[in-house]
Amino acid sequence: SAVISQKPSRDICQRGTSLTIQCQVDSQVTMMFWYRQQPGQSLTLIATANQGSEATYESGFVIDKFPISRPNLTFSTLTVSNMSPEDSSIYLCSVETGGAGTFGSGTRLTVV
Amino acid sequence: GEDVEQSLFLSVREGDSSVINCTYTDSSSTYLYWYKQEPGAGLQLLTYIFSNMDMKQDQRLTVLLNKKDKHLSLRIADTQTGDSAIYFCAETETLYNFNKFYFGSGTKLNVKP
Repeated sequence: SAVISQKPSRDICQRGTSLTIQCQVDSQVTMMFWYRQQPGQSLTLIATANQGSEATYESGFVIDKFPISRPNLTFSTLTVSNMSPEDSSIYLCSVETGGAGTFGSGTRLTVV
Repeated sequence: GEDVEQSLFLSVREGDSSVINCTYTDSSSTYLYWYKQEPGAGLQLLTYIFSNMDMKQDQRLTVLLNKKDKHLSLRIADTQTGDSAIYFCAETETLYNFNKFYFGSGTKLNVKP
């Protein structure tokens, strides 16, 4: 299965600032997925990133708040913009290989 | 969206068997999955079962699927302290060119020595 490198692994940020999370895959993939895991909760899909087109956002998530880039088939970034304490979560990127989801180790974000 | 439900906590003694249960709603899911999340880590795929199977065994792990009742379970034999983690079941909805994952709330397994 694919190997995903995600960074930073954690960060503490001031409210009102933005953080960009990077996700690197060791093989070319058509789609990459970004999830949010709020404290004590399950994973919620934020958006699907397809190379060469705009990301598709799930209900409740908007591009202005979570802009995504997908410059090539092995890389994507998710930016959490104008952060508030409610954005404190783990953010994970994922790819689908062989029908199963493979996840990065996540970025643990704390907004103070 | 799809609905996947799990109990939140399970506590067992080391050496006992653990059984984690899950119910789901989408009968069209081709595979059903179990993921493990250790503290501070991402999700690790543990095992998965094809929807036409009713059982899959993989070393200490046994997955049982009751498709009629839409019930999935994960049995861990001889549970070890290293098995302490959160376990997520997941089903998928096949969209036009990818599988969208729906996760349960996760069951926190605590293994007491």
